[in-house]
Amino acid sequence: EAEVAQSPRYKITEKSQAVAFWCDPISGHATLYWYRQILGQGPELLVQFQDESVVDDSQLPKDRFSAERLKGVDSTLKIQPAELGDSAMYLCASSPSGLSYNEQFFGPGTRLTVL
Amino acid sequence: AQSVTQLDSHVSVSEGTPVLLRCNYSSSYSPSLFWYVQHPNKGLQLLLKYTSAATLVKGINGFEAEFKKSETSFHLTKPSAHMSDAAEYFCVVSDLDNQGGKLIFGQGTELSVKP
Repeated sequence: EAEVAQSPRYKITEKSQAVAFWCDPISGHATLYWYRQILGQGPELLVQFQDESVVDDSQLPKDRFSAERLKGVDSTLKIQPAELGDSAMYLCASSPSGLSYNEQFFGPGTRLTVL
Repeated sequence: AQSVTQLDSHVSVSEGTPVLLRCNYSSSYSPSLFWYVQHPNKGLQLLLKYTSAATLVKGINGFEAEFKKSETSFHLTKPSAHMSDAAEYFCVVSDLDNQGGKLIFGQGTELSVKP
């Protein structure tokens, strides 16, 4: 069964360092999402791609976060510099298309701890 | 704007007894509603979804949910809890103001199952 892959699974970094997360969606899925899940809360969308184009990045802190999906396949989310408040689970999801009733398939996530 | 409210942050049941996880939604449109489950150290998995077809929706692992427009509710039920059902459950609505199927998550309900 096809799955969304994410790496690394865990990342510990110090404040002010740069970190990067990678996501490989299910093959053929045009829409890719990055969510952030703070402990004890539900995930919140950071950025959404349709193929290689950004559809929604209204909740992405653009002064320190960046995301790309250059060839419309895999994607990288970067944080520079990391802050203590960035400690969270970062989830990647993909969907065949961006229709509202489509299921989103989630990866296992990257748990980031900023010291 | 769309939103969901999960009425219980934690529910505890005994194995073999019924499960009820409560969710109310707010939407200006006819909503697409989902329940996702998150087991520890695993990705989010879709349990079921409502997309304006039958109001009683059956999902995986014996779960079902009923869409009640008059009560703006989408409660999740299961007749008999199993130990493996212990997890975090999220009620989710699709943001119809977003062109790409953005999901809005509730705060989550942690389900504990006692032997």
